[in-house]
Amino acid sequence: GAVVSQHPSWVICKSGTSVKIECRSLDFQATTMFWYRQFPKQSLMLMATSNEGSKATYEQGVEKDKFLINHASLTLSTLTVTSAHPEDSSFYICSATGSFRGTAYEQYFGPGTRLTVT
Amino acid sequence: AQRVTQPEKLLSVFKGAPVELKCNYSYSGSPELFWYVQYSRQRLQLLLRHISRESIKGFTADLNKGETSFHLKKPFAQEEDSAMYYCALSAGGYQKVTFGTGTKLQVIP
Repeated sequence: GAVVSQHPSWVICKSGTSVKIECRSLDFQATTMFWYRQFPKQSLMLMATSNEGSKATYEQGVEKDKFLINHASLTLSTLTVTSAHPEDSSFYICSATGSFRGTAYEQYFGPGTRLTVT
Repeated sequence: AQRVTQPEKLLSVFKGAPVELKCNYSYSGSPELFWYVQYSRQRLQLLLRHISRESIKGFTADLNKGETSFHLKKPFAQEEDSAMYYCALSAGGYQKVTFGTGTKLQVIP
């Protein structure tokens, strides 16, 4: 099946610094990418929807100036957590939507990035 | 607004027993319904979607618009079915997907 990668897989940063997480669709073009946040033993909470070449659409309650999303190409979206604080520590997951080898569109998920802010 | 409800956080069944994971949804239009599965230490992956009406790994799910439900069923549970299962809803196409809170299925040998 289609592959979505995330980098890094885990990151530890100090409070006040910024962290960038990359999401790449490796073998298909992703018209739309989504960013989720998952707290331990909880469901995925959608943070924003990212379309290539346009501004991201953020869900209610998500600070767009804190979580900067850039979708520069059909295979790459980045999430930058600015001025990170310990409460931003979480598991961040991206997904990419597209048609893989002519199959019906589907959301393909990345493996996630564990962010720990100290 | 889109909402997905999975009433059970944990479902434990014995190997060989039938499984039913419940899912109810709230949506004003015609939604697309999905079941996603997350095995231990693996990424989330699509199990099945209602429009394809196919059986994957012995699992089936029927969309009941009258009851606004999309329960996941399997007649005989296997140990390898132990995982976290998420019911999800979308308006279709490239629209966002709303996830339920998930049900952990534990198959007891």
